[in-house]
Amino acid sequence: RKEVEQDPGPFNVPEGATVAFNCTYSNSASQSFFWYRQDCRKEPKLLMSVYSSGNEDGRFTAQLNRASQYISLLIRDSKLSDSATYLCVVRIYGQNFVFGPGTRLSVLP
Amino acid sequence: DTGVSQDPRHKITKRGQNVTFRCDPISEHNRLYWYRQTLGQGPEFLTYFQNEAQLEKSRLLSDRFSAERPKGSFSTLEIQRTEQGDSAMYLCASSLGVAGAGNEQFFGPGTRLTVL
Repeated sequence: RKEVEQDPGPFNVPEGATVAFNCTYSNSASQSFFWYRQDCRKEPKLLMSVYSSGNEDGRFTAQLNRASQYISLLIRDSKLSDSATYLCVVRIYGQNFVFGPGTRLSVLP
Repeated sequence: DTGVSQDPRHKITKRGQNVTFRCDPISEHNRLYWYRQTLGQGPEFLTYFQNEAQLEKSRLLSDRFSAERPKGSFSTLEIQRTEQGDSAMYLCASSLGVAGAGNEQFFGPGTRLTVL
């Protein structure tokens, strides 16, 4: 089993739709969680950290479920500019960052 | 520009040649990471430094790969006797290396390596 798993997609949604991605991780000792966004042929950029109580940043909401070992990202009111690959990232304290394979999102006009 | 920079941005080489890439992190960041990314995959961790000390190396990093960060600032990644399977994007990232918000990574634009 891979350390971090994501549905590769693609998710094709119309503008204005709400879309959700899940990510599962295998190591229960994981302590830090992030969502990164990567545009085609560009470097990953931090979208948001994921906190235990869940957190929101504008149209984006991240949730963590430690018992089931998954994190989620919800995007409301999708924009064309949200089209990208969303990478789930997990870290055990003092160790390296493990990236998932990413989920591709295409927001259609 | 005060972000992470990498040089060169593109490198085409013949199989068997050696290549070296450079990364300049954000100046106050003490942690520096190297990753490799192939099409359709997320970045795969290669190695990381805390200041000049190389603290961890992935099993992916064969003995043909070596990385240095001699003064705790910029870093180099060398691949000796390149193989076609080394073709990938090589990404560098840096972070403050403290708990909490400070451990977010900031990535450079990457070096795209093509081995012919």
